[in-house]
Formats: sequence, C-alpha cells, structure tokens
Amino acid sequence: QKEVEQNSGPLSVPEGAIASLNCTYSDRGSQSFFWYRQYSGKSPELIMSIYSNGDKEDGRFTAQLNKASQYVSLLIRDSQPSDSATYLCAVIDKAAGNKLTFGGGTRVLVKP
Amino acid sequence: DADVTQTPRNRITKTGKRIMLECSQTKGHDRMYWYRQDPGLGLRLIYYSFDVKDINKGEISDGYSVSRQAQAKFSLSLESAIPNQTALYFCATSDSSGSETQYFGPGTRLLVL
Repeated sequence: QKEVEQNSGPLSVPEGAIASLNCTYSDRGSQSFFWYRQYSGKSPELIMSIYSNGDKEDGRFTAQLNKASQYVSLLIRDSQPSDSATYLCAVIDKAAGNKLTFGGGTRVLVKP
Repeated sequence: DADVTQTPRNRITKTGKRIMLECSQTKGHDRMYWYRQDPGLGLRLIYYSFDVKDINKGEISDGYSVSRQAQAKFSLSLESAIPNQTALYFCATSDSSGSETQYFGPGTRLLVL
C-alpha cells in the first residue's frame, strides 16, 4: 500500500498563475517532509523541506504542512514555463529507520 | 565536478547477465542509497547504507545486492538480470549530522532485453 499519495496530473497552469500541489501520507510518525523537482530524464533536486506545521516560503515556493490532517502541499507562485516538471513529495519517519518514502509525483505543465 | 557520480549512465544487457552499477560521492556523506524509478511509481528504495559495513534492505531488494566498499562508494549488482528490472536507477547520499536532505546522482538508465 502506497504510503505517500500524489495526484499524477498533469496539472496544467497558465504562465503567471499559482500551481497548487497536494500530498497526503499515511504514517503519523512522519516527521520530515520534502518536495523535489525532477525534469524529464534528470535526477530529483530538492526545492523545499518542512518540519513544522504551518507555512514555509522560499522565493516563489511555499510549502504547507498539516500534521493533524496528514497532508503537505506546495504552492508555486508566478508559474514559469521552466517550472514544468514532475514534483515529488517525500517523507521521513525517523522511527522507521530514517528512510525517505516518495510519492508517485505530480506532473506540472506551465503554458505560456 | 559532480558531487555524486554514477557509472555507467546507460546500459543494455541481456536476461541472465550479471551487471554492476557504481556510485561514488565526494560530499563526505556517511549515508548512501539506491533507488529505482519506474513511470508513475516515483522512487522506490532498493538498499541503503548508513555507514561502511552497514547494509539494509529497502522495499524492493529482491534480485539485487549491494556492496559498500568505502564511505564514498556504494555499488548495486543485479546477479541475474530480468526484463522487469528495466528502469532508471538513482544513487543518493545524505549526511547523518545534517538536514536529512538526500542528494541524487545523475541516474543510470538500464534496459534488460
């Protein structure tokens, strides 16, 4: 059973709009949360990490964490064509050996 | 120079062959990981190592083995390759004293005929 769930998309957004990505996880022991961006054929690269409930902003990206509801989201403001990629949500449960569990990813397409 | 390197970058092999994928890192990290990626399934953990002489199975270790030859090197072997092992393989590293962020190599695209 998949422990981290994401809508596979594609999520199509016009240039300049806000892209909103959601991720839910099943393990309440999860403590660390990450968003990775992956361009086609390339390796994942970290864009955001979040550890506490609430919002965390970094440039055009905002991560939101709600541990009670077991979801983490990513907002991309002023979306650019270069943001077109697959976004992977990942969680760590330290009690389970610090392994990183990934969701299947959401593909985002930003249209000029 | 890249911090995490993988060789080969592409490999075509035949069913039943033994192959090895290699990973090296210059980040000084103690933890290393092997993942495979299949379309729509995200990344799945094959094996991981938190230090030299420490080897742990991930969620899909069957058909694979690993060796941690040194802190900077972690190799993945397919003892007898089968077509459903065709995938994109990534090595990653992290620092136990750091932020838990994992840094990925460029990947190895493997095709088993």
